[in-house]
Amino acid sequence: DGGITQSPKYLFRKEGQNVTLSCEQNLNHDAMYWYRQDPGQGLRLIYYSQIVNDFQKGDIAEGYSVSREKKESFPLTVTSAQKNPTAFYLCASSLVGSSYEQYFGPGTRLTVT
Amino acid sequence: DAKTTQPNSMESNEEEPVHLPCNHSTISGTDYIHWYRQLPSQGPEYVIHGLTSNVNNRMASLAIAEDRKSSTLILHRATLRDAAVYYCILRDDTDKLIFGTGTRLQVFP
Repeated sequence: DGGITQSPKYLFRKEGQNVTLSCEQNLNHDAMYWYRQDPGQGLRLIYYSQIVNDFQKGDIAEGYSVSREKKESFPLTVTSAQKNPTAFYLCASSLVGSSYEQYFGPGTRLTVT
Repeated sequence: DAKTTQPNSMESNEEEPVHLPCNHSTISGTDYIHWYRQLPSQGPEYVIHGLTSNVNNRMASLAIAEDRKSSTLILHRATLRDAAVYYCILRDDTDKLIFGTGTRLQVFP
């Protein structure tokens, strides 16, 4: 089955620790995205990548880092510099172009205490 | 900033049609209108998208105004499983989706 997987579903960390969220897709999509969602809010774009070894900052990139070494994978690192890291993180992928839909993963809920 | 305006919430009874409106007065000629929906604690699910003409698929219909400054997502017969937050989004040639707060649809049996 084709799709996007995110792991783990729930993640707990202590303040001051970096944490990496996994996102893998087997849809052969060139573009991948990371979003953050806070309770009662819409999604906000953190980073996106349209091709391997290249990525761009979204609206809220501060305190986050990404890599795109393989087409299938787009891991997100939440660093200790992110002031409010507790949130629901969603990964998506699509073909490049505004006429294509994005496919979303099931999300990772990160709690930092 | 979100480029679309939607009502915060709407209600419907099961098996009735639902019309979810969206205003996008600043839309440009190459922006596609996308609709997604999201159930609690899940990732958004693609519903439908269009550019100028009305569109139909197995989930819904999308009616786009002639001047493209508004659109309406139509669920022909609402079911309890259609209860979700519906997002109307403009996707431009930067390839990004800019989400607003969406419309929370409640469906009553």
